[in-house]
Amino acid sequence: DTEVTQTPKHLVMGMTNKKSLKCEQHMGHRAMYWYKQKAKKPPELMFVYSYEKLSINESVPSRFSPECPNSSLLNLHLHALQPEDSALYLCASTPRADSGANVLTFGAGSRLTVL
Amino acid sequence: GENVEQHPSTLSVQEGDSAVIKCTYSDSASNYFPWYKQELGKRPQLIIDIRSNVGEKKDQRIAVTLNKTAKHFSLHITETQPEDSAVYFCAGRDSSYKLIFGSGTRLLVRP
Repeated sequence: DTEVTQTPKHLVMGMTNKKSLKCEQHMGHRAMYWYKQKAKKPPELMFVYSYEKLSINESVPSRFSPECPNSSLLNLHLHALQPEDSALYLCASTPRADSGANVLTFGAGSRLTVL
Repeated sequence: GENVEQHPSTLSVQEGDSAVIKCTYSDSASNYFPWYKQELGKRPQLIIDIRSNVGEKKDQRIAVTLNKTAKHFSLHITETQPEDSAVYFCAGRDSSYKLIFGSGTRLLVRP
């Protein structure tokens, strides 16, 4: 299995809702990432987990809460989001986080719309 | 931290012509430079990458060149085809191992 799987593919939520995005990989990778991508913009790094520990938080608002239950799973919990948070949320993984030789593999993304 | 600049923002070429996209980076410690292709509504996909110990890498119609002294690298696509139409992102990995993306180039190949 050489893929990163994300669910759901599409999510519409209100500003008072609580929802979660899920990501799974079975490549034995020990680093997992959340990126946010707005239309016509490059992916922006949000969080990095290395060996199931949060190693980078790019000053993301607390309404986004990441969780890494094990080395194969990465969640992004969403609460009290704003319409400007609507975007494509991409999960990615690499064998390790602390190596320059890593190739980043992206999932298909979860397209989030906040009403 | 690393800063990657990419140009042009849009590029239109006739089918069969070559396309060149250029990027510059700021962190002299950066040593890995991938290129991603993103079709409309899809994920970014790695098409080619280069490490700082080589100056050029080719894969069929795609090539990447790296000039470490000038801190710039370029993507070259020869014999372009309509299916090459997409947004292309360059990136550089900085000394903290974060991948920093350029702003993207929208390539249109006219049949």
